[in-house]
Amino acid sequence: DTAVSQTPKYLVTQMGNDKSIKCEQNLGHDTMYWYKQDSKKFLKIMFSYNNKELIINETVPNRFSPKSPDKAHLNLHINSLELGDSAVYFCASSQEGQGLRGKETQYFGPGTRLLVL
Amino acid sequence: GEDVEQSLFLSVREGDSSVINCTYTDSSSTYLYWYKQEPGAGLQLLTYIFSNMDMKQDQRLTVLLNKKDKHLSLRIADTQTGDSAIYFCAEMAGTALIFGKGTTLSVSS
Repeated sequence: DTAVSQTPKYLVTQMGNDKSIKCEQNLGHDTMYWYKQDSKKFLKIMFSYNNKELIINETVPNRFSPKSPDKAHLNLHINSLELGDSAVYFCASSQEGQGLRGKETQYFGPGTRLLVL
Repeated sequence: GEDVEQSLFLSVREGDSSVINCTYTDSSSTYLYWYKQEPGAGLQLLTYIFSNMDMKQDQRLTVLLNKKDKHLSLRIADTQTGDSAIYFCAEMAGTALIFGKGTTLSVSS
C-alpha cells in the first residue's frame, strides 16, 4: 500500500547513456514533482506537473524530461548522462490545494540513487 | 532570493530537548514544513504549520512560527537515538517546495 513509489531504487550507468526513472502514486493526487538531492544533501525542485501545466526549474538541463502517461505516473527521462547527474532523485505528489489545511502537502517517494560512472 | 536557512549540525544527548531553527524568505508562504530524512532513506513528512498559526504541538514535536521574523523552529522533546537524522525545513513557493540545506541531528546516549 505504498503511497509514492519509485523504480529503480539504485541505478548505476555509464556516462552518455539514456535512462529513465519511474514514479507512481496511488494517493489520487493531481500534481507530481521531481526533486534532486546532491551529494551535500541539498534538495532542489526540478519539475512540477499536473494535467494542466508543466513547470520547469530553469536550471535543469534539457537532457532531463518528465513524461506523464497518466495522472498517477510521472517518469523522468535523462539523455546523455553526465557525471554530475549522480544524485538521489525524489518523486513527490500532492493534491492541488485551495488554501485548505494540509491539502497541498507533498508526499515523497523513497528516492532513486543514480550513479554515473 | 529564495533561500531557506538552517544551521547544518546539532548534537544533543539522549533525553535532552533538541531545537532546530530555520529562517525562510517568502512572507506569502501559506504552509511551512518539517521533513525528516534518515540515513539512506527518503523524506518523511514530520509536521507542517499553517501560516496563521503561532504554534503546533504533535506528541514530542512542537513547531513555533514567528511570521514577523520569518523564523520557524522545531523542538523535539526527550530526544532519542532514533531521532538521529537530517531535518529539512521547507516553504511552499508557488507549486514547489524550497528546502533548507538540512540540519543533521546527532543524538548520543
